[in-house]
Amino acid sequence: GESVGLHLPTLSVQEGDNSIINCAYSNSASDYFIWYKQESGKGPQFIIDIRSNMDKRQGQRVTVLLNKTVKHLSLQIAATQPGDSAVYFCAVSSEGYNKLIFGAGTRLAVHP
Amino acid sequence: KAGVTQTPRYLIKTRGQQVTLSCSPISGHRSVSWYQQTPGQGLQFLFEYFSETQRNKGNFPGRFSGRQFSNSRSEMNVSTLELGDSALYLCASSLGGDRYEQYFGPGTRLTVT
Repeated sequence: GESVGLHLPTLSVQEGDNSIINCAYSNSASDYFIWYKQESGKGPQFIIDIRSNMDKRQGQRVTVLLNKTVKHLSLQIAATQPGDSAVYFCAVSSEGYNKLIFGAGTRLAVHP
Repeated sequence: KAGVTQTPRYLIKTRGQQVTLSCSPISGHRSVSWYQQTPGQGLQFLFEYFSETQRNKGNFPGRFSGRQFSNSRSEMNVSTLELGDSALYLCASSLGGDRYEQYFGPGTRLTVT
């Protein structure tokens, strides 16, 4: 079955730096990818998504890059702020509908 | 527009009991998915309902069941609770169709003693 992995369980950055969080997936048939942010005591919050017919998508201070050749997904956060501190999950869909397979999550710590 | 709401937020049950959790999706959303989140297993898909029909199911035992009502509200039920069922149960709603973004509620924290 599908599996989703993250390269680093934790990432520590300085305020104002750019952050990059990586994710790898196993199923080449995966065609929908989402990044979520989860703060303590809250449910995951939608950040940005991308479909397999694209390789880059930008939002407000965030960019998602998709490399289907190596089955790799990344989330870039520009000018990281203390409010960005949270656990970030990538999720992948490959079986249709809304069945998402989640990675283990990367904890982002932003230091002043 | 109000977000996804889940009730109750916290629940303590004893082994062998059953529990029902409720989820109200964002207005206009017709798809509701349920996930279990634990420190050991992470976020795992339970099932998805769309227009009162279960469209997809994860790899959980039959003790886990759900349903969706005509107003898109959904409930999930866990029977014969086990200690390992202690988790945060998250509900997510989306417009429906094929892979629209899902918006999560705050979750119900279930503790089984």
